[in-house]
Amino acid sequence: ELKVEQNPLFLSMQEGKNYTIYCNYSTTSDRLYWYRQDPGKSLESLFVLLSNGAVKQEGRLMASLDTKARLSTLHITAAVHDLSATYFCAVGDYKLSFGAGTTVTVRA
Amino acid sequence: DVKVTQSSRYLVKRTGEKVFLECVQDMDHENMFWYRQDPGLGLRLIYFSYDVKMKEKGDIPEGYSVSREKKERFSLILESASTNQTSMYLCASSLSTPGTEAFFGQGTRLTVV
Repeated sequence: ELKVEQNPLFLSMQEGKNYTIYCNYSTTSDRLYWYRQDPGKSLESLFVLLSNGAVKQEGRLMASLDTKARLSTLHITAAVHDLSATYFCAVGDYKLSFGAGTTVTVRA
Repeated sequence: DVKVTQSSRYLVKRTGEKVFLECVQDMDHENMFWYRQDPGLGLRLIYFSYDVKMKEKGDIPEGYSVSREKKERFSLILESASTNQTSMYLCASSLSTPGTEAFFGQGTRLTVV
């Protein structure tokens, strides 16, 4: 059974500082996805990483994938309040297995 | 924009009732999914369909069935609702090409009393 583990599960960020969310998974896969969910809303796709060494950036968020280590990271640069949300990583070709999610709160 | 629409945002049903959750997508996607979301557990796959009338069980299919009579529509059925099926249900769709992202509906929060 594919296991996807995210840590931390809760992250309190201070505005302006940098943070990283980690996603470990238990199978060989070179397809990893990051999603964002705002309270009461659905999931929004952030990044699709399709090969070892893939790196994608959008604004203050940067995601990377190391398939040999079975690890993806989501790096947040200079956190701002708008980034408060729950972030999920998921692994798979089409049937996705999700991590438990990291709930991010950004404080002033 | 891809649109995945679920028929209800909130539902309250009684134990033992038969419950239908409907999902429609407008992007001609081959794949459709039903996930259940519970705090601390992330999203868990209930059922997956890769074509009309085709389905595969996900990780937690017990107590659920699905129907896909048309490509754009995927229904989740709770044959006899139980309180442990109280949850948020999310429908998603994607192209059949591996590695393409899934698009999610807004979710249905089901409460079984």
